[in-house]
Amino acid sequence: SYELTQPPSVSVSPGQTARITCSGDALPKKYAYWYQQKSGQAPVLVIYEDSKRPSGIPERFSGSSSGTMATLTISGAQVEDEADYYCYSTDSSGNHNVVFGGGTKLTVL
Amino acid sequence: QLQLQESGPGLVKPSETLSLTCTVSGGSISSSSYYWGWIRQPPGKGLEWIGSIYYSGSTYYNPSLKSRVTISVDTSKNQFSLKLSSVTAADTAVYYCARERITMVRGVEVDWWFDPWGQGTLVTVSS
Repeated sequence: SYELTQPPSVSVSPGQTARITCSGDALPKKYAYWYQQKSGQAPVLVIYEDSKRPSGIPERFSGSSSGTMATLTISGAQVEDEADYYCYSTDSSGNHNVVFGGGTKLTVL
Repeated sequence: QLQLQESGPGLVKPSETLSLTCTVSGGSISSSSYYWGWIRQPPGKGLEWIGSIYYSGSTYYNPSLKSRVTISVDTSKNQFSLKLSSVTAADTAVYYCARERITMVRGVEVDWWFDPWGQGTLVTVSS
C-alpha cells in the first residue's frame, strides 16, 4: 500500500525556520497537503495542492514539492506553531484511496 | 461558515456496532462539489481514513476496514452516518467527520482532501 514518510520530530527555536518533509512515491504525480493538529484539537488544513495557503493561515506557512518529496516550511516559527503536522495525499489507483503521513511533532522552544 | 458536529455513544462494547452521526450546518450536504468523510485517530497515534460518501449515496471505503464499515447519508437532515461493526479495543479512537473537497479535471476526479473537520468525538470500546 502507498505510504507517506515523515520525520517523527523537528525542533526549532522561536524565530527560526522549521522544515518538515514528507516523502512518497506518488508525489511527483499527486499533490501534497498539510494539516496542523494542536493538542486536543481537530486537524486544520494549512497547505493544499503543494503550495497554496487557505485563507486565515499565516504567511509564514509555505509548501513546496519536488520529485518524491514535499516540504512544509514555517518561516519564523512561533511558540503557537508547536503542534503535530501531517502530510496527506491520494494514490493514483483510481480507488479514491487517501493516505496520511505518520505525523511530525514540531517543538518550538 | 460550514460546521460539522459528530454525535453518538462514547462507549461501545466489544463485538457490537459503533454508530456515529455527523450533522452539517452552514451549507448543504447535497452540493455536487464535495464528498463527506470519516477519519479516526487512536489515542496518541496518527490519522486513518475510514471512508467517504457523496450526497447521491456513492461510497468509498478504506480497504482495511471495508468489510466492517457502512457510511450512509440523509440529505433531508443534512447528516451522514458511520457504522463500524464487530468492534474491538483497536477501534478505540477519536472519530472525526469532515467535508471532502474534490478537484475535477474534464469531468474526472483527480484529487480530494478534507476541509473543514468536526471537533471529533472519542469512542471507547470496552466491556
